[in-house]
Amino acid sequence: DVKVTQSSRYLVKRTGEKVFLECVQDMDHENMFWYRQDPGLGLRLIYFSYDVKMKEKGDIPEGYSVSREKKERFSLILESASTNQTSMYLCASSLVAGEREQYFGPGTRLTVT
Amino acid sequence: AQSVTQLDSQVPVFEEAPVELRCNYSSSVSVYLFWYVQYPNQGLQLLLKYLSGSTLVESINGFEAEFNKSQTSFHLRKPSVHISDTAEYFCAVSGGGNMLTFGGGTRLMVKP
Repeated sequence: DVKVTQSSRYLVKRTGEKVFLECVQDMDHENMFWYRQDPGLGLRLIYFSYDVKMKEKGDIPEGYSVSREKKERFSLILESASTNQTSMYLCASSLVAGEREQYFGPGTRLTVT
Repeated sequence: AQSVTQLDSQVPVFEEAPVELRCNYSSSVSVYLFWYVQYPNQGLQLLLKYLSGSTLVESINGFEAEFNKSQTSFHLRKPSVHISDTAEYFCAVSGGGNMLTFGGGTRLMVKP
């Protein structure tokens, strides 16, 4: 069974803290994605990686960075958390060829106080 | 570039009634189309997809969607909904690259 896991389901951090969100997939997928989900706005792409150490900015990269040192792991970093980064964060992975179906993790609900 | 519009943000419906969730897209290239479902406090799961061939695609739990190229639509339907279908539904489109573009989501609320 294919699986994408995220390190935390719920996270509470203070303004200004550095926050790490971890995502691991066991499907040997080349592509990995980080989205944030907010009511009424759907899913917005933060960053995308198509290979180890490779990354591309998505629609809303400001305030975020990413790291992909191994194929199965993709980390989202909030350098200095702010209250407007309170959101649901979803990780996904997919193959680089074929049907483009993305497989999602359960999400991390981050609250910044 | 692609865009996806889900015309209804919320759809309330009584149990055992039919439902249609609307999705329109725009793209300058041939597309793959997807419907994802998100149950409360969970990630997104693929419900069904259109890649090529028959324009009517079905899921294992009774949903179906029809690709209409002339109207650039991919509406999701179910003839009789259950309480367990209560969830948020997302339409997504791929233009053949690595990205999916998602619509804003439709919250289906099934009432007893």
